[in-house]
Amino acid sequence: EAGVVQSPRYKIIEKKQPVAFWCNPISGHNTLYWYLQNLGQGPELLIRYENEEAVDDSQLPKDRFSAERLKGVDSTLKIQPAELGDSAVYLCASSLGDFSTGELFFGEGSRLTVL
Amino acid sequence: AQSVAQPEDQVNVAEGNPLTVKCTYSVSGNPYLFWYVQYPNRGLQFLLKYITGDNLVKGSYGFEAEFNKSQTSFHLKKPSALVSDSALYFCALFNTNAGKSTFGDGTTLTVKP
Repeated sequence: EAGVVQSPRYKIIEKKQPVAFWCNPISGHNTLYWYLQNLGQGPELLIRYENEEAVDDSQLPKDRFSAERLKGVDSTLKIQPAELGDSAVYLCASSLGDFSTGELFFGEGSRLTVL
Repeated sequence: AQSVAQPEDQVNVAEGNPLTVKCTYSVSGNPYLFWYVQYPNRGLQFLLKYITGDNLVKGSYGFEAEFNKSQTSFHLKKPSALVSDSALYFCALFNTNAGKSTFGDGTTLTVKP
């Protein structure tokens, strides 16, 4: 069974440029998460989808971040414009049901460096 | 507010010795607690969870964790460490009242031969 696939694995951009990350969850997983992981810290939730609906986006900085999961399958996270402080690893995860019901399956992450 | 604390950034043990990775939490209501492991250049992997019932839960790769409500702790343990257990371990909390999850900052476990 294929795991959660994220791309690109690495991205280097200059500040004020846009960037997009893509995630393909495990087939059949209705819940999809985007997390931000800063160096030396644990993952922090940015947004959670149940199917195509964003059910928790309270921690998503909506002035520059956006996300979509149009058909309830794969998802894109966009930053425009990027700032120096956005340098981090962006993790995508998926699960059957929500966080409480079982395990999350994580992708390998997309590491963003903003110069 | 809810929080997860992993008081040790680094834990070093010798192969064959028992290991403990500590986790304490703060939440109102009943928590669901989890441990995840991250190997270098890999995504986080689920190890085990506590939802309800027996305070001692067993998970993957011989790991277990004990839920202690009075001490608000959920320490990860293994009776005999392997070099291959060396990785970054995250404790996580799910607040059933608020529907929010929180991860700790991680503990790097190094098992030396």
